[in-house]
Amino acid sequence: GAVVSQHPSWVICKSGTSVKIECRSLDFQATTMFWYRQFPKQSLMLMATSNEGSKATYEQGVEKDKFLINHASLTLSTLTVTSAHPEDSSFYICSARGHRNTEAFFGQGTRLTVV
Amino acid sequence: GNSVTQMEGPVTLSEEAFLTINCTYTATGYPSLFWYVQYPGEGLQLLLKATKADDKGSNKGFEATYRKETTSFHLEKGSVQVSDSAVYFCALSPMNTGNQFYFGTGTSLTVIP
Repeated sequence: GAVVSQHPSWVICKSGTSVKIECRSLDFQATTMFWYRQFPKQSLMLMATSNEGSKATYEQGVEKDKFLINHASLTLSTLTVTSAHPEDSSFYICSARGHRNTEAFFGQGTRLTVV
Repeated sequence: GNSVTQMEGPVTLSEEAFLTINCTYTATGYPSLFWYVQYPGEGLQLLLKATKADDKGSNKGFEATYRKETTSFHLEKGSVQVSDSAVYFCALSPMNTGNQFYFGTGTSLTVIP
């Protein structure tokens, strides 16, 4: 299947700093990318959906000014956690779908720890 | 609305035992149904899928059949291995939503030798 690469896989940052997570589709053009958050021992919760070249659509309860999503090209989307706090510590997973795909492919996930 | 209800875990089985993880869904229209697997410290991997009623998805010995009459997509495997230890997520993607997914809460499976 198609490959989606997420980077970094693990990051620790200090409270108050910002962290950028990248999601790349390596062998297809991702017209739509999704960002999920997974709390320990819980399911994945959709945070936002982004289409290339347009603003992301955020799910209810997700602060768009805190979780900045950029989908500037057909192969790259970024999630920036601004002014991170310990409660933002979580596992973040992206998925990507091309216009010809019937399924979305997931990245490996990024474990963010804010200290 | 759209939702997925999945059997709670954790589930512990001996090697070569039979596995069933129940999954039922609520959706408008005719969604596609999926099982994803997450190994420790990794992201999600698609295990199998079914896109219409009565379809059977299968992969690596796992099977699930799309049952519209019971709105179910139960995961089964006849003989589990230690390497099957992981968290399994049932998910649905409604029609015409650009592949937005709704996930169940996940079922942790541990297979012991």
